Amino acid sequence: KAGVTQTPRYLIKTRGQQVTLSCSPISGHRSVSWYQQTPGQGLQFLFEYFSETQRNKGNFPGRFSGRQFSNSRSEMNVSTLELGDSALYLCASSLGGEKLFFGSGTQLSVL
Amino acid sequence: KQEVTQIPAALSVPEGENLVLNCSFTDSAIYNLQWFRQDPGKGLTSLLLIQSSQREQTSGRLNASLDKSSGRSTLYIAASQPGDSATYLCAVRGNGQNFVFGPGTRLSVLP
Repeated sequence: KAGVTQTPRYLIKTRGQQVTLSCSPISGHRSVSWYQQTPGQGLQFLFEYFSETQRNKGNFPGRFSGRQFSNSRSEMNVSTLELGDSALYLCASSLGGEKLFFGSGTQLSVL
Repeated sequence: KQEVTQIPAALSVPEGENLVLNCSFTDSAIYNLQWFRQDPGKGLTSLLLIQSSQREQTSGRLNASLDKSSGRSTLYIAASQPGDSATYLCAVRGNGQNFVFGPGTRLSVLP
């Protein structure tokens, strides 16, 4: 059974640009959640989607958005990038919010 | 608002030692608690999931306990090995809410 797949693995952008990250969950999993991980703030929750509906949202500005498709694949978008958005972005899938299975993450660097 | 802390922040032990990692949370009304390990630059791997009605879970050399009333969980690692070197994170989830992660304990097992 394939694990959670995140693409791309690394990304370098400049301030003001926008970026889209992709997450393909484990087959059969309907819940996808996104997290931002930085050395200073640790792991912070961004949002969770279940069956194409946003179920929970963390305390991030509106520049951070996401969506989930009918096949459970999810994307998150960050517009007007800032230097502070540099982080490891992690996606996790689960059947319904129980045990989380994480992808390897997308390392975003904003220059 | 749920807050999760982990003690110690870092730990270095010789191979073969038994060790205990601690996790504390402020709101005892949790749905479940999960322990993860994370290798540098990688995603998280789920180790153990404890439901709120359970007191402990075991997997191989790992044992996690949960005391909801005191807001504490411990992860016990028996006969530590160099391959156990990683950062260990605990995360708690309230009913219908997202997981809140602790800052992690960085473990080094010396050969």
